[in-house]
Amino acid sequence: QKEVEQDPGPLSVPEGAIVSLNCTYSNSAFQYFMWYRQYSRKGPELLMYTYSSGNKEDGRFTAQVDKSSKYISLFIRDSQPSDSATYLCAMSDRDDKIIFGKGTRLHILP
Amino acid sequence: DTEVTQTPKHLVMGMTNKKSLKCEQHMGHRAMYWYKQKAKKPPELMFVYSYEKLSINESVPSRFSPECPNSSLLNLHLHALQPEDSALYLCASSQDPINEQYFGPGTRLTVT
Repeated sequence: QKEVEQDPGPLSVPEGAIVSLNCTYSNSAFQYFMWYRQYSRKGPELLMYTYSSGNKEDGRFTAQVDKSSKYISLFIRDSQPSDSATYLCAMSDRDDKIIFGKGTRLHILP
Repeated sequence: DTEVTQTPKHLVMGMTNKKSLKCEQHMGHRAMYWYKQKAKKPPELMFVYSYEKLSINESVPSRFSPECPNSSLLNLHLHALQPEDSALYLCASSQDPINEQYFGPGTRLTVT
């Protein structure tokens, strides 16, 4: 079983819809959870950073962490065509390394 | 300001060339990272510098040589690369090793 599982997609949704992106993981030591957005041929951009379980909201984005289920989610409200990108979940315990999911390609259809 | 800059943006080099990639941050971050990313794959960690000391080398071939001249700069020296080394090379930094990482735009490297 891989440490971090993420459905690669592609996921296509109509503009204005709520998008739900998810990752599961196996290492119960993970405490720090991140979501990155990456446009084609660009570097990843940090969207959300959370520590331990709970929810965090920033504008149209909400990150949820459920450590008991080893499951994290990113919700995007009122999705826009500019949200079309690859979304990478990432997580770490207390060392220097973060483990990335494979990334989900998201297409928002105008 | 969460900017990490990388130069050059694009690099084409032959297998016998020597070149260097440069990364810079002025956020006072004490950890810096090199990643390699192939198309449609997540970034793969290569090296970690923590407080200017190499703390992680993910068994990277010696044709890649990292250098951290000071807390703001990170270099990756390249020598005798192979065509399969063609990829997007990403630099990242974080306030300290357990904080969130901020990525630069990357250098797209093509080895001919």
